[in-house]
Amino acid sequence: DQQVKQNSPSLSVQEGRISILNCDYTNSMFDYFLWYKKYPAEGPTFLISISSIKDKNEDGRFTVFLNKSAKHLSLHIVPSQPGDSAVYFCAAEPSRYSGGSNYKLTFGKGTLLTVNP
Amino acid sequence: KAGVTQTPRYLIKTRGQQVTLSCSPISGHRSVSWYQQTPGQGLQFLFEYFSETQRNKGNFPGRFSGRQFSNSRSEMNVSTLELGDSALYLCASSLEVVSRQFFGPGTRLTVL
Repeated sequence: DQQVKQNSPSLSVQEGRISILNCDYTNSMFDYFLWYKKYPAEGPTFLISISSIKDKNEDGRFTVFLNKSAKHLSLHIVPSQPGDSAVYFCAAEPSRYSGGSNYKLTFGKGTLLTVNP
Repeated sequence: KAGVTQTPRYLIKTRGQQVTLSCSPISGHRSVSWYQQTPGQGLQFLFEYFSETQRNKGNFPGRFSGRQFSNSRSEMNVSTLELGDSALYLCASSLEVVSRQFFGPGTRLTVL
């Protein structure tokens, strides 16, 4: 039962254009979402996050959009650069006030982004 | 501040053997989580330790176990290795809450 889904295993874009990575979730208890970037032979690094009380968060070239009703979030990278080529993981965590003990990050399977010069 | 370190970086074992992986979190971080990354499954949560106690556990068989020491360093043990255990094992640490995790480079385990 995959609660966080990244349906595109790979994405290829041209340098300077926009990259849009998508993520869907099924668990309505999720209320905090993160994107991590991973280069080969390195661990994932935190990129950007968004709380469910917002629908947009921006940090430089990176913007994350959240559509709670559709249980969908997306990461926009503008403009894309060759150094952005990596695997991007979407992750979600439940409300810290939802109770229970199953408080952990749930990751999607990742999307390999390739930015061509 | 030094980052999360994991040892060894690479490991080759044979079926039936057991293995212990080590993780040293960022100084001051008390939460350590372990993940298994495989090409088809992405990052799958194994378990999380906080102040020497297992706080959360994923859906892995009992062959996978872990522990955390008083200095927050953590070890993960896999017994009776199977071919399917070949993966990148990632450790992540955080101060208190799980979300802002910092990952180590991982240990690449190959089971022959």
